[in-house]
Amino acid sequence: ETGVTQTPRHLVMGMTNKKSLKCEQHLGHNAMYWYKQSAKKPLELMFVYSLEERVENNSVPSRFSPECPNSSHLFLHLHTLQPEDSALYLCASSLLMGLAGYNEQFFGPGTRLTVL
Amino acid sequence: DQQVKQNSPSLSVQEGRISILNCDYTNSMFDYFLWYKKYPAEGPTFLISISSIKDKNEDGRFTVFLNKSAKHLSLHIVPSQPGDSAVYFCAASANAGGTSYGKLTFGQGTILTVHP
Repeated sequence: ETGVTQTPRHLVMGMTNKKSLKCEQHLGHNAMYWYKQSAKKPLELMFVYSLEERVENNSVPSRFSPECPNSSHLFLHLHTLQPEDSALYLCASSLLMGLAGYNEQFFGPGTRLTVL
Repeated sequence: DQQVKQNSPSLSVQEGRISILNCDYTNSMFDYFLWYKKYPAEGPTFLISISSIKDKNEDGRFTVFLNKSAKHLSLHIVPSQPGDSAVYFCAASANAGGTSYGKLTFGQGTILTVHP
């Protein structure tokens, strides 16, 4: 596998279910991100992990719980979601910026989540 | 308050002609701008970027122009090809915020269709 992979690609869950989204990057990056893309809305940053430490939580409800066990893996644990949480969830990774300036983010294909 | 806006939801262009995608921003602290391309069922793919110290960056058929006084950037694709048909996202980053992981703010995207 190369690049950034995400599983599952599609997920349908009820409001009382617990599920997890998985992201894996094979690029040697040290920062990982979760984004949410709702219909006709811009990508919204949810969480950022830098060197496996959560450094940003963009006012995300506690029913979304991220986990970064190592620099290659990122999880998003889902619990008691609402129908309005249905969206495309994208994972991305990057190198931390050095003196050379900005390092672009590489995205996975996303998980299409439907909450019934 | 949406800090990065792509006011054209869609653009249709004939093959071989120029495609011009526009993006406006409001945050004067943004100092790095990126364009991403997204095909259906795939994650966004980095296309081209520009630092605020430049007003133009070119890479093959793709050129990005930055007008800081107008807080406007554009992506030119010449000549356009049917394979360029995708959703194009503009994104911006404020490096001066001191974060080493490059926090991106995205526009809502423009659907480009290139007709043969």
